[in-house]
Amino acid sequence: SQELEQSPQSLIVQEGKNLTINCTSSKTLYGLYWYKQKYGEGLIFLMMLQKGGEEKSHEKITAKLDEKKQQSSLHITASQPSHAGIYLCGAPATSGTYKYIFGTGTRLKVLA
Amino acid sequence: GAVVSQHPSWVICKSGTSVKIECRSLDFQATTMFWYRQFPKQSLMLMATSNEGSKATYEQGVEKDKFLINHASLTLSTLTVTSAHPEDSSFYICSARQGSTYGYTFGSGTRLTVV
Repeated sequence: SQELEQSPQSLIVQEGKNLTINCTSSKTLYGLYWYKQKYGEGLIFLMMLQKGGEEKSHEKITAKLDEKKQQSSLHITASQPSHAGIYLCGAPATSGTYKYIFGTGTRLKVLA
Repeated sequence: GAVVSQHPSWVICKSGTSVKIECRSLDFQATTMFWYRQFPKQSLMLMATSNEGSKATYEQGVEKDKFLINHASLTLSTLTVTSAHPEDSSFYICSARQGSTYGYTFGSGTRLTVV
């Protein structure tokens, strides 16, 4: 079965610093989603990547999809305390399926 | 945008009792909804796929008789944890798919504590 592994598992950065979170799939990626979750809350959709080489940005967050490497990266520029939370990548288990799997998660803490 | 409402946000129940969690799609119809479980500091694990008008599809290792899923309408799916035990304490999240894309919207989750 497909697995999504995220790295690092946790991250503590000083406010203003840049950071990158990676999500690597054990099998072919048929699109990838990034979500943010605060402890004990639901998931907030950040962005969706559907094509290899695709790159999307929203405010200070940029995500890229490298189909060949079966990997996606999420980059935060000039981090702020509001960026703190758990970042999860998610992807369809197989092409055309409704089933969705999630990465292991990355806990981000931003020190003011 | 698509909104999924999940209730309750948190619930505490006694061992042996049953708890029902509701997941509603507020502004769209969802023929398929999904139920996830999340343990502390772990990722989301898919429990089952809820299909409107038919039986739910459970993932391997998930007890069908313990986690009853009903998807009676295009906007409502319910998860009932029957005869709850402390090990059922967890964070449960539902999601629904709108349209023909792979996009999913998630509920705000329900924290269940069984004492």
